[in-house]
Amino acid sequence: EAEVAQSPRYKITEKSQAVAFWCDPISGHATLYWYRQILGQGPELLVQFQDESVVDDSQLPKDRFSAERLKGVDSTLKIQPAELGDSAMYLCASSSLGGQVAETQYFGPGTRLLVL
Amino acid sequence: QKEVEQDPGPLSVPEGAIVSLNCTYSNSAFQYFMWYRQYSRKGPELLMYTYSSGNKEDGRFTAQVDKSSKYISLFIRDSQPSDSATYLCAAVYGQNFVFGPGTRLSVLP
Repeated sequence: EAEVAQSPRYKITEKSQAVAFWCDPISGHATLYWYRQILGQGPELLVQFQDESVVDDSQLPKDRFSAERLKGVDSTLKIQPAELGDSAMYLCASSSLGGQVAETQYFGPGTRLLVL
Repeated sequence: QKEVEQDPGPLSVPEGAIVSLNCTYSNSAFQYFMWYRQYSRKGPELLMYTYSSGNKEDGRFTAQVDKSSKYISLFIRDSQPSDSATYLCAAVYGQNFVFGPGTRLSVLP
């Protein structure tokens, strides 16, 4: 069964350092999402791509976060500089597109970030 | 007010019990609804999705949607300790997924 791949699974960094997360969606899925999930809360959307284009990045803290999906396949999310409050699980998800409505969304295992 | 509300629990039940998990939503534009199960330190996995009001059954799981009252439910029959996890509901319009905060469930042997 096809899966969304993410790496690394865990990352510990010091504040002010740069970190990067990678995601490879299910093959053929045009839509890719990056979420942040704080312990005890539901996932909150950071950025959404349709192929290589950003569809929604309204909740992305653009002063420190950036995301790209250059060839419309895999994607990288970067934080620079990391802050203590960025400690969370970063989830990548993908979905195919059925007309104007997204099909079911599948999640990767996540990257757990701890900023010290 | 968040668009999707969910009682965070924790909810503890004995093995074999029927579990009822619920969400409410505020946006009439939501077109369909999903339930995800998330084990500790893992990504969410899709359990069920439904487009319309009514019930949808899959094994021990039944999803129920009442669009008139903007109410979503997930029922788990014959609950097992392996069902212990956080259950997230999600509401979808277009390509936008909005998640509830999740309900943490513990099924005690």
